[in-house]
Amino acid sequence: EVQLVESGGGLVQPGGSLRLSCAASGFTFSTSEMNWVRQTPGKGLEWVSYIGSGGMTMYYADSVKGRFTISRDNAKNSLYLQMSSLRAEDTAVYYCARGGAYPDYWGQGTLVTVSS
Amino acid sequence: QVVLTQSPSASASLGASVKLTCTLSSGHSNYAIAWHQQQPEKGPRYLMKLNSDGSQNKGAGIPDRFSGSSSGAERYLTISSLQSEDEADYYCQTWGTGGVFGGGTKLTV
Repeated sequence: EVQLVESGGGLVQPGGSLRLSCAASGFTFSTSEMNWVRQTPGKGLEWVSYIGSGGMTMYYADSVKGRFTISRDNAKNSLYLQMSSLRAEDTAVYYCARGGAYPDYWGQGTLVTVSS
Repeated sequence: QVVLTQSPSASASLGASVKLTCTLSSGHSNYAIAWHQQQPEKGPRYLMKLNSDGSQNKGAGIPDRFSGSSSGAERYLTISSLQSEDEADYYCQTWGTGGVFGGGTKLTV
């Protein structure tokens, strides 16, 4: 069974940093493209970042470019999102999702709240 | 950049059928999309990838009640024999210079 479990969310002050993790199981992580997608409370879905299976290709939404870094450790079946210079508008539930252009499995999400 | 447009809300009765629409912006009518369902307080769930020719690749365990179709720049999701658990938000999604989501349709059953 494919499972994606996010962790690392919490309350952080504006300008602060946070690192999200996504533990993957039930499929061959090392050959899977991955994405991070976020959802502001009560609002729609927003794509955040993509990483290729080998970790060499990354893409970012303009809203997070230069502040967020996606990475992965295929030996640990884990996906990461390093977030810095956080803003109030980054407050959201962050989901990891398996797949490239059309993600086919999603985690349950981890909540990030940016507030003083 | 491609834009996806969805109606904010839809409603239908238990046991009936409903057809949700996702419209691709001008010049992008050949794009494939994916449909995702998000039940209240849950993470999204992939339903299917839908190509411009109407062919579709469903996710694991998705009932036959869910089907997709295409016409020009329109991509449709039809849900038949509506059940209470189908009450959810439905998002269409594609890939341009990055991931792109429609605004979502809230389906009330």
